[in-house]
Parts: sequence; C-alpha cells; structure tokens
Amino acid sequence: QSVLTQPPSVSGAPGQRVTISCTGRSSNIGEGYDVHWYQQLPGTAPKLLIYINTNRPSGVPDRFSGSKSGTSASLAITGLQAEDEADYYCQSYDSSLRGYVFGTGTKVTVL
Amino acid sequence: QATLRESGPALVKPTQTLTLTCTFSGFSLSTSGMCVSWIRQPPGKALEWLARIDWDDEEYYSTSLKTRLTISKDTSKNQVVLTMTNVDPADTATYYCARTLVILHYATDVWGQGTTVTVSS
Repeated sequence: QSVLTQPPSVSGAPGQRVTISCTGRSSNIGEGYDVHWYQQLPGTAPKLLIYINTNRPSGVPDRFSGSKSGTSASLAITGLQAEDEADYYCQSYDSSLRGYVFGTGTKVTVL
Repeated sequence: QATLRESGPALVKPTQTLTLTCTFSGFSLSTSGMCVSWIRQPPGKALEWLARIDWDDEEYYSTSLKTRLTISKDTSKNQVVLTMTNVDPADTATYYCARTLVILHYATDVWGQGTTVTVSS
C-alpha cells in the first residue's frame, strides 16, 4: 500500500490537457521532499520525466510540466498525443518510512 | 552515455536466496554524487523502491524488506549486487537497477531494461 496516491486512470482526446495528481502526506510531500515523475511506455522500463518537482530532463517535450503544493503534486500534459499513452508514476521520500516511495501509478489513455 | 543491465536467474524456488547483478557503464560509482538503486515491479502492479547504494558506500533499504535485502558494490567491476533472502511468490517481479543522482535530488535518470524473476516451486 503506497503512501502516494494517484488516480488509476485519466483519459483525453488528442490535443487536450490532462492532469495527474499525486497525493501524499506530512511525512513526504508535505514535509517538503521533492517529487519526481516517471513515464513507463508499455513493455518498457520507466523513464525520468520530471525531476525536483518542475524540471524536465533534456529531450522531454515542454508539453509535460510538474507542480507541487502542500501535500500534493501534479503532472500536466498539454497537447495530448497518442505517444503519451503510458503509465505515469510519482516518487518522493517518506521520513516515517525512511525510504523512497512511488505512487500507485496512473494509466493515461488517448481517446 | 550511462547504461545499466540487470542479470540473474529467471526462476527461483521459495525460501531460496535471489542474487541479482547490475553491470553498468558510462559512469563510476566512486564519483561523488553517484548512486545505484534497485526497483521492482510485480506483474501489472506499481513500482516499488528496494534499495540504494551510494558512492561513499552508504546503503539504504526499504523498511518493509530491510531484513531480507543486502546491496553491495564492486567499483572495479562497475557492478552492484542485490541479494534477497527467503524469497516468496510475492517477490515475483521485474527487477530494475538504475542510476540515481544526488544532483537531481535522488531522481533516477537512467534505468536498465529490467530482469524478470519468477518465484515458484
């Protein structure tokens, strides 16, 4: 049972904007720990999408953006494309568990 | 360009010890700020962080698995080894090793392709 909760699925038509929430608590996101986001295309290893809450690694389109506030973080995808169909995971550190935790994961479907 | 590759048995019997090796290139685990993590993913389920070893030999473990895991490194061979004792069918998963960077506040920026491990008698 993860301490970072994500919606199981979100969907949108091509070109639309979708957001994925990552709800934590006072021992992780709420305590100020950074959030990272990963994209996992079907049958492949995860890929770093956003690091330190808002930063994109080189090569990641600016359609992807991250934010953090309070005990939650969000990933937004604007101008949704078919190639964005994947599972997305948030990650942070939890002080009560004294370890890193991943979110429950969200499957993005492009309609 | 950093790359990592996992290797180990595809099938392990319950109660046995699982040993996984991560062989990497393109970076050195003796360089300050470099770390290697192990993460697993049971079939159809979410990612689970397992352990991390840092350039300075510090080791970190998942609280729930701490008693069963050991992570070690051989800097000269560019390898990191994860051992898991007393495996159970619930440990069936794809196991990933990945590079984690202090400069990215411990984000994991390069992942191996993963190795699938089935625990079954």
